[in-house]
This record gives sequence, C-alpha cells and structure tokens, in this order.
Amino acid sequence: EIVLTQSPGTLSLSPGERATLSCRASQSVSSSYLAWYQQKPGQAPRLLIYGASSRATGIPDRFSGSGSGTDFTLTISRLEPEDFAVYYCQQYGLTWTFGQGTKVEIK
Amino acid sequence: QLQLQESGPGLVKPSETLSLTCTVSGGSISSSSYYWGWIRQPPGKGLEWIGSIYYSGSTYYNPSLKSRVTISVDTSKNQFSLKLSSVTAADTAVYYCPAGYDAFDIWGQGTMVTVSS
Repeated sequence: EIVLTQSPGTLSLSPGERATLSCRASQSVSSSYLAWYQQKPGQAPRLLIYGASSRATGIPDRFSGSGSGTDFTLTISRLEPEDFAVYYCQQYGLTWTFGQGTKVEIK
Repeated sequence: QLQLQESGPGLVKPSETLSLTCTVSGGSISSSSYYWGWIRQPPGKGLEWIGSIYYSGSTYYNPSLKSRVTISVDTSKNQFSLKLSSVTAADTAVYYCPAGYDAFDIWGQGTMVTVSS
C-alpha cells in the first residue's frame, strides 16, 4: 500500500503570497495517478489537479501541480482569500490513498 | 451533468451494519467513464478511501476495511451502495460518494453517520 505524506501540516501565509505544498509517496506513483483536492469547512472536497499537473475544469491558473516518482508539489502562485482551506493529495494505483492534508491558513 | 446524492440512516448502533446508498442522476451508473467510490471523513480528521466499484462490477477495497466492507451496484435504480459491518464509534464520520476515472471529480454532498447506542 502506498502511503502519502504531506508537508507542512499547516502553512501560515498572507493573501498574495505563494504557497508550496509537498506530497511524498512511500513508493513511486505514476504521474497519471496523482491528484490534488481542496476542501473547505462543511464542504465536499473539490478536485484541483489530476495527472500530477493537469487542472480540473474551472480551476484558476494560479493553481499548478508538478512532480514525478515519489515527490509532488502543489503551488498556488498568489493566494486569494478563498484559497485558505485544507489540501489533500491522492494517488490511484490498485487502490486509492490520500495524504493527511495541509491546512493553508491566514497569517 | 452528473450528480451524486448519499442517503441512509444518520445513527447506527455499535456492532450493527451501516448501510448507505448513492443515487446517480444526470448519467448512467453503467458508464465505463467512472469508478464509483466511497470515502469517509471522521470529525476533524482527513479523508479515508473505503472502496470503489467499476461498472463491470469489479470492486476495490481499502485493505484496512476490506473484511467489513461490501460495495455493490443496482443498475435498475442507478444507485450504488455501501455496507460496513460490525461498526464501532471509530466509524463515525461524514461519508461521501464520489465518482471519477482515477481522480474523483464529482462528489456528493456527504452524509453524517454517528455510531452510538
């Protein structure tokens, strides 16, 4: 079973700043099967990135994904007020697993 | 546009079986374009994948829950279902039914299930 470890646990930033979130896998993940989600309180998760770097429908271009193998990154180029939320990475192999999440909070 | 809606009891007694249904609208559950999944989130915690089913009937389960989980499809009702047996307080969570081919791009709103006597 692939374990995903996200860091940091919490990221304290101001609007307009750049956010860099990390997701590290315990074994190699095909880039086609690495996704990122955003979740706000009381809401279902929303898909942001799939295939490691492809934006889902309607996702602003300030969100970008990169990486391969065991190391993946979600970057938010300039934080908007609505971007403060929890972010999860997810992989699909023969099973699906999620990282434990990174909370992006207002500094 | 595909939409998903979870339904089922909000309260289940310990040792009993939790049963939830996800109704699919705006598309067919027999579509080869989607895996249909169940994911849960305990209060204040992260997301846990429970299992998924493909239109062919192939099922995939979280190894840590596999002995207690059954996911099935009812094509006549355009629904898929989750059964989780021998529940304990640790199974208290919001349960979501998402769909997607690998990433889950469509989600239900979620339903809270509490395990308590």
